[in-house]
Amino acid sequence: DSGVTQTPKHLITATGQRVTLRCSPRSGDLSVYWYQQSLDQGLQFLIQYYNGEERAKGNILERFSAQQFPDLHSELNLSSLELGDSALYFCASSVGGTGFYEQYFGPGTRLTVT
Amino acid sequence: AQTVTQSQPEMSVQEAETVTLSCTYDTSESDYYLFWYKQPPSRQMILVIRQEAYKQQNATENRFSVNFQKAAKSFSLKISDSQLGDAAMYFCAYRSAGAQKLVFGQGTRLTINP
Repeated sequence: DSGVTQTPKHLITATGQRVTLRCSPRSGDLSVYWYQQSLDQGLQFLIQYYNGEERAKGNILERFSAQQFPDLHSELNLSSLELGDSALYFCASSVGGTGFYEQYFGPGTRLTVT
Repeated sequence: AQTVTQSQPEMSVQEAETVTLSCTYDTSESDYYLFWYKQPPSRQMILVIRQEAYKQQNATENRFSVNFQKAAKSFSLKISDSQLGDAAMYFCAYRSAGAQKLVFGQGTRLTINP
């Protein structure tokens, strides 16, 4: 158990819908990262927040957005869902934003868009 | 942009034997970190071993060790005395010292034959 929690574990929804994935980092970690794992694209970095502020952006679609709240939990919002958005979405956390900090991964949320 | 290549989509090894997984990366930076992650059927991403590029000594963690060749941009993982529990997808990952995101290879599926 990495100490990072993600809810829900599974999500099935229809095209065009909007969903919210939630992540709670390990106690004491200030950074939260979101990754997408799909068969087509492999594991891709989406976005990172550090202590409530966006720090880095990867290949995140405009239909996707994220935020980190004062209690440091984070939410990834996916809207106008398409079949191709079906994937495993991981949240990871680390103590710092840069430097040799390990990123600890949560168990992931499996999103299926039908 | 940095890229990570794992040229072996699948590998298999007999239980108790040794196996080496290959990874090469492309970067123009001199300061970075390299990682091997394990993803068992549970889908949890587990950090196996990590290496700082400025360290010439190869990292070891129990039965896991790496062969880091900075000039060749190669970072292979050796698993000694393979166990059934080692069966998983293994991902090589790169992170620039000044950046946040992990860049992953496509993964190698390792099968352990009893």
